[in-house]
Amino acid sequence: QQQVKQSPQSLIVQKGGISIINCAYENTAFDYFPWYQQFPGKGPALLIAIRPDVSEKKEGRFTISFNKSAKQFSLHIMDSQPGDSATYFCAAGFLADKLIFGTGTRLQVFP
Amino acid sequence: NAGVMQNPRHLVRRRGQEARLRCSPMKGHSHVYWYRQLPEEGLKFMVYLQKENIIDESGMPKERFSAEFPKEGPSILRIQQVVRGDSAAYFCASSFSRSRENTIYFGEGSWLTVV
Repeated sequence: QQQVKQSPQSLIVQKGGISIINCAYENTAFDYFPWYQQFPGKGPALLIAIRPDVSEKKEGRFTISFNKSAKQFSLHIMDSQPGDSATYFCAAGFLADKLIFGTGTRLQVFP
Repeated sequence: NAGVMQNPRHLVRRRGQEARLRCSPMKGHSHVYWYRQLPEEGLKFMVYLQKENIIDESGMPKERFSAEFPKEGPSILRIQQVVRGDSAAYFCASSFSRSRENTIYFGEGSWLTVV
């Protein structure tokens, strides 16, 4: 009930392409779904987050799509850049605390 | 506004020694969370504290690990009698309050190596 499954484990994208990372959760009571970006040796940084009352949220090149009935949400990175190369974690939780994290996706964007 | 501050950033301990990791939350934040990240894995929740109170310690190992967040000073994660399996990155995060409108922010982490 508390798991968050993330895929793929790694992703290689050409510069300018679209990166798509998917997550699935089990607990329908979760009400907060953030994505974090982590560079090697650094802490996770909040990228974008969504609440279950909306189906999509866009911030710049980053978009979250949320499918409440399927209990899935995904991160789309448009026009991917080499500087986007990092590990991305989805998470789910209650009231923006005690987040349950996915296992991470290592994204590599090649020029 | 300074972010979540953690120290030390890197810590090496011999098996059986104690490790103390400190976390100062963002200014104005009174909620602190500790997460552990093993190599090549995601972050696992350990404990959630508010000033002088442990709210949720469901992710803390039953033995050797303890956490506190005193009225004054930083939050401390204490690991007694460390073993090699404790080697990991320990991240602290903080939030202003426990509400829908508040997100949590992570520090840069403390990397513990047990030799």
